[in-house]
Amino acid sequence: DAKTTQPPSMDCAEGRAANLPCNHSTISGNEYVYWYRQIHSQGPQYIIHGLKNNETNEMASLIITEDRKSSTLILPHATLRDTAVYYCIVRVGYNQGGKLIFGQGTELSVKP
Amino acid sequence: DAGVTQSPTHLIKTRGQQVTLRCSPKSGHDTVSWYQQALGQGPQFIFQYYEEEERQRGNFPDRFSGHQFPNYSSELNVNALLLGDSALYLCASSMNAGGNQPQHFGDGTRLSIL
Repeated sequence: DAKTTQPPSMDCAEGRAANLPCNHSTISGNEYVYWYRQIHSQGPQYIIHGLKNNETNEMASLIITEDRKSSTLILPHATLRDTAVYYCIVRVGYNQGGKLIFGQGTELSVKP
Repeated sequence: DAGVTQSPTHLIKTRGQQVTLRCSPKSGHDTVSWYQQALGQGPQFIFQYYEEEERQRGNFPDRFSGHQFPNYSSELNVNALLLGDSALYLCASSMNAGGNQPQHFGDGTRLSIL
């Protein structure tokens, strides 16, 4: 199963963009990159996912390198409520939703 | 539109007992996955149910079993509880509509083993 590597922690100033990197050098051609975040005492929250093209939704943008070996999640204007653990996941399996293999994630602290 | 709901939210058991956790998927979802999250760790995949059958399984012993009902809701059963089973148990649901449909998680059941 493809693994991901993320920095254990990052800080970001409120109102600034938060850029969270992820390495997934062993990703296979049909495996998607997913991002979730988990706020203390809650279940993981889906943010965004992509295969090879950059993606954007109301929460964030996902930039995937051309060789697909790394990606960056961008929160354009971080707020204090964005403080959470962010998980970059390479999803294994195509049908029935696949299984998610979580790593340790990046603990993002947004500071005023 | 209700999201994924899990019950109970907290549970305390003793070693050797058995426990059943319940999950109602998000409306329109037909696939349910279960994860175990130990303190300070990321969630670990236990198994996934679709069409009332176990479709995938992670590296968990047979003490962990599940069931999916015709209304797509699901149960996770754990027998002969060990201290190490203390964790947050998360349920996630998704649509098996082909392609990569995201899994949506509930807030979990916190299980404590004494």
